Amino acid sequence: NAGVTQTPKFQVLKTGQSMTLQCAQDMNHNSMYWYRQDPGMGLRLIYYSASEGTTDKGEVPNGYNVSRLNKREFSLRLESAAPSQTSVYFCASRRSGPDFGEQYFGPGTRLTVT
Amino acid sequence: TQLLEQSPQFLSIQEGENLTVYCNSSSVFSSLQWYRQEPGEGPVLLVTVVTGGEVKKLKRLTFQFGDARKDSSLHITAAQPGDTGLYLCAGAVRSGNTPLVFGKGTRLSVIA
Repeated sequence: NAGVTQTPKFQVLKTGQSMTLQCAQDMNHNSMYWYRQDPGMGLRLIYYSASEGTTDKGEVPNGYNVSRLNKREFSLRLESAAPSQTSVYFCASRRSGPDFGEQYFGPGTRLTVT
Repeated sequence: TQLLEQSPQFLSIQEGENLTVYCNSSSVFSSLQWYRQEPGEGPVLLVTVVTGGEVKKLKRLTFQFGDARKDSSLHITAAQPGDTGLYLCAGAVRSGNTPLVFGKGTRLSVIA
């Protein structure tokens, strides 16, 4: 059982380049999330998808787009990377329902924009 | 906007000492979770507390949810180097699909 997987693990981009971060979960969770983590800022929600076919903005959506490709996969795209997007990006998933399920995180993608 | 304030932000202690980390808000949460994150990895759930006043123990870690469900604490007894990491609290406003609200974390370093 792989849980939440993310690719790539590391990436260096030049300003203006584009890239897509991939995320997949094998736990049949409805909800998936993209966060960025910066020193002193904690985890900040970029976008989330409460169910297949829906996406919503989080706290810091500017400069990003997402696609919920199917129930398993949720990708994050940077159309024109900026140095301010240098960060560690985490994908997460959680089952939805009347209880308070555990949120499972991927191992992260460390992105540097020069 | 719901906010969770964690304190202290940084904590460096000697092995064997006790410590308490706090997570406070002016908002009421339906539940509160604590996660631990080790360097180079994603956060991992330690515990979920749901009932006001609830206390849960996980070996040397004791978690408490405030009576009014606005705050929580994590107490570690006889800290060990393996406890080193970033501790994050996260609140659920209600169940279902609402994203968790995360605190900024407490970075703990336990020195042998």
